Amino acid sequence: DIQMTQSPPTLSASVGDKVTVTCRASQSISDSLAWYQQKPGKAPKLLIYKASSLESGVPSRFSGSGSGTEFTLTISSLQPDDFATYYCQQYHSYWTFGQGTKVEIK
Amino acid sequence: EVQLVESGGNLVQPGGSLRLSCAASGFTLSSYWMTWVRQAPGKGLEWVANIKQDGSQKFYVDSVKGRFTISRDNAKNSLYLQMNSLRVEDTAVYYCAKGASGPHYFDYWGQGILVTVFS
Repeated sequence: DIQMTQSPPTLSASVGDKVTVTCRASQSISDSLAWYQQKPGKAPKLLIYKASSLESGVPSRFSGSGSGTEFTLTISSLQPDDFATYYCQQYHSYWTFGQGTKVEIK
Repeated sequence: EVQLVESGGNLVQPGGSLRLSCAASGFTLSSYWMTWVRQAPGKGLEWVANIKQDGSQKFYVDSVKGRFTISRDNAKNSLYLQMNSLRVEDTAVYYCAKGASGPHYFDYWGQGILVTVFS
């Protein structure tokens, strides 16, 4: 089974900050990685797929990069609506989510 | 507008059964893989099962194999999850989700439905 490890578990940041979340796979997954945003009590929302492709309607301040085993989600300038929990998900072999990174207000 | 609406959640004792339903609208269900994902209280997301467009392929996470069955009725625009031999650790919000490109990632999600297994 492929394990996905996100870091950090929690990230404190201010509006306007550049934020980076890391996701590591236990084995190579090529670019078979998606990122989701989830707010409390709500369903996840797809942000990025194929490691770096931006889902339609998602603001361009979100970007993804990486391949193989290491991936990053970057928010170029954090906005108030971006405080949420972010999950990576691999789909190279079955489907596995990371444990999540909560982005909170500093 | 794509909509996915789950129903069937409830309180149930260990060993019991529940059937979750997901009503799909705004897209042609028969054209897409569909998936169930769950989230235990205060925890992260866990993929549970998914099913190919015609139901010919199904995949399950190890922890539910032999206990849960995913199915679909494209004519009724509905996805189902039959859950038998429920355990306390199956307590979670269950989401149905639409496959975006094959079974790989999920572009639309329902609002979720709570299943509570208590002794």
